[in-house]
Parts: sequence; structure tokens; C-alpha cells
Amino acid sequence: DAGVTQSPTHLIKTRGQHVTLRCSPISGHKSVSWYQQVLGQGPQFIFQYYEKEERGRGNFPDRFSARQFPNYSSELNVNALLLGDSALYLCASSIGPSGDYEQYFGPGTRLTVT
Amino acid sequence: ELKVEQNPLFLSMQEGKNYTIYCNYSTTSDRLYWYRQDPGKSLESLFVLLSNGAVKQEGRLMASLDTKARLSTLHITAAVHDLSATYFCAVDIGAGNQFYFGTGTSLTVIP
Repeated sequence: DAGVTQSPTHLIKTRGQHVTLRCSPISGHKSVSWYQQVLGQGPQFIFQYYEKEERGRGNFPDRFSARQFPNYSSELNVNALLLGDSALYLCASSIGPSGDYEQYFGPGTRLTVT
Repeated sequence: ELKVEQNPLFLSMQEGKNYTIYCNYSTTSDRLYWYRQDPGKSLESLFVLLSNGAVKQEGRLMASLDTKARLSTLHITAAVHDLSATYFCAVDIGAGNQFYFGTGTSLTVIP
């Protein structure tokens, strides 16, 4: 089985632009979570979606939004990009919504904002 | 505010030596996870600890969880160069797959 896939792998954007990152979970996984990892730090939780509904949101501004599609894939959108948004964005999938289920992380999307 | 702290932040150790990485967290949780990250790569799951007193071992790594002390340890036995990586602990506070990660421990094993 394929693991969690993310696209694109790398992305360079200019301040003020908008970006959309995509994630496909492992087959059979219905929960998708997004994390931001700034260089040299641990990942920070952004969103969790389960069965197409938002189940949790971390301490991020409204410029960040996400959604989950009927096939359980997910998009993370960031508007009005700032230099500080430069980071590795990780998607993780899990069978269920609770912490009883292990999360599997994708390879990430490296976003650079100039 | 939930805090997850690891120490040390940086660890340089010789091959064959033993060492322990500590993960302290500031809120009640009985679920803790350990991940490994190689430079420029994603996170690889190492251990899932789901109850007080849980102990798991894989190769030269052993993880334990003490929920009363809010402490998890990752013990490295007879380190080898291949273990060089950054290790993160993560806590689930019961709100689902919303993990709070520690600061990370960058481990370098010197031949």
C-alpha cells in the first residue's frame, strides 16, 4: 500500500500570495491532520479533519484554512503569505480520529516564501 | 498552555555508549509517541505508548511512559552511527490526532 502522499514537494511563493497544499491519506484512513514545522523546531498542529468535518484547530490565524474531500484527501490553504510561513508542511493520516490510532506522516511540502 | 520539553536538545555520543533522552509534558495525558526525523525528511514512527507504565523496545531503542510523573524516556543502548537523527516526542491530550510535539533532540553518534 502507498503511504501518505503530498504535493507539491517544494514550492516557492512571494509574500502576499496564496498557496494550496494537497494530501492523500493512506487507503482506508479517514482522519487527516496538518502540521507546520519551522526549521529547527518540532511540528505544530494546524488542523484535523475526520469524515470531512473539522475536528480541531491549532493556534494559527484565519489565513490558514483546510478542507477534506469525500475521498478523504485534504487541502491546506494559506492566504496572504508571510515570510514566517516558510516551513515544512506535514500531513498525517490515521484510521480514526482519536489518539488510539497511530498517525502516519507524509513526506511534506517545503514552502519557501520570499 | 501545554508544554512538551525534551532534554537534552543536542546530544553527541560515542558508538557503543548508552544514553537516555527525556520528555516532560505539562498536562494530563496517557498517550505519548516517539518519532525519528532524518535531515530533510518526514517523521518516522518509533513507538506508541498508550498507558501508564508502558514500555516498548525495538532494537537498540527502548521507550517508557510514566503518566503520573508526566515523563517519557527514550533509552539508547550501545549506540551506532545509524541512530544519528532528531528524535521527537509527541503528546496527545485526548482531543484526537492533535499531537503536541517536543522541542526535539538532535543526536549525533560519533564512530
